[in-house]
Amino acid sequence: DAGVIQSPRHEVTEMGQEVTLRCKPISGHDYLFWYRQTMMRGLELLIYFNNNVPIDDSGMPEDRFSAKMPNASFSTLKIQPSEPRDSAVYFCASGPGGLETQYFGPGTRLLVL
Amino acid sequence: KQEVTQIPAALSVPEGENLVLNCSFTDSAIYNLQWFRQDPGKGLTSLLLIQSSQREQTSGRLNASLDKSSGRSTLYIAASQPGDSATYLCAVSYNNAGNMLTFGGGTRLMVKP
Repeated sequence: DAGVIQSPRHEVTEMGQEVTLRCKPISGHDYLFWYRQTMMRGLELLIYFNNNVPIDDSGMPEDRFSAKMPNASFSTLKIQPSEPRDSAVYFCASGPGGLETQYFGPGTRLLVL
Repeated sequence: KQEVTQIPAALSVPEGENLVLNCSFTDSAIYNLQWFRQDPGKGLTSLLLIQSSQREQTSGRLNASLDKSSGRSTLYIAASQPGDSATYLCAVSYNNAGNMLTFGGGTRLMVKP
């Protein structure tokens, strides 16, 4: 298995633009997670899905952030409009559920100018 | 609100030394605790997962212990090698599905040849 796949790996955009981050989880994993990592706040859980349904989005910072999972093999995290303080590394992870571990993708490094 | 603290924030040791990384958490009502490794520019890789009913887990040169009542975990690395250089993060789960994680800030380890 190729592991969790994220695209793009790097994104540079200007303030006010829409940003869409993409994730393909490991096949057969029922859970998908979106995280954000910054120097100031560390690694934070934004939202997670179970069987394509959003379960907890309490970590989503603002209404500018939205996430979807239209099917078991694809998820998006969208920021509209983007702001410089959104600059961070965004990780997607997937897992089989239960008390099992999560498998992280390589991350998308986002820079908003 | 669960808070996870890792001490030290950075550590530099000569090759071959045994070392201990520390993790503490404020709320003992956790479902499991995990130790992850993060290499620069990469995602996280799970090293060890300790369920709340367990006291320790071992994998090769790594041993992790968990003391829920005192809110502490340690990661012991035996006979450190330059390839162990990375950032080590601990994370505790706080929901009954065991998959919503709160991460510590990490310990950046450098093992010098």
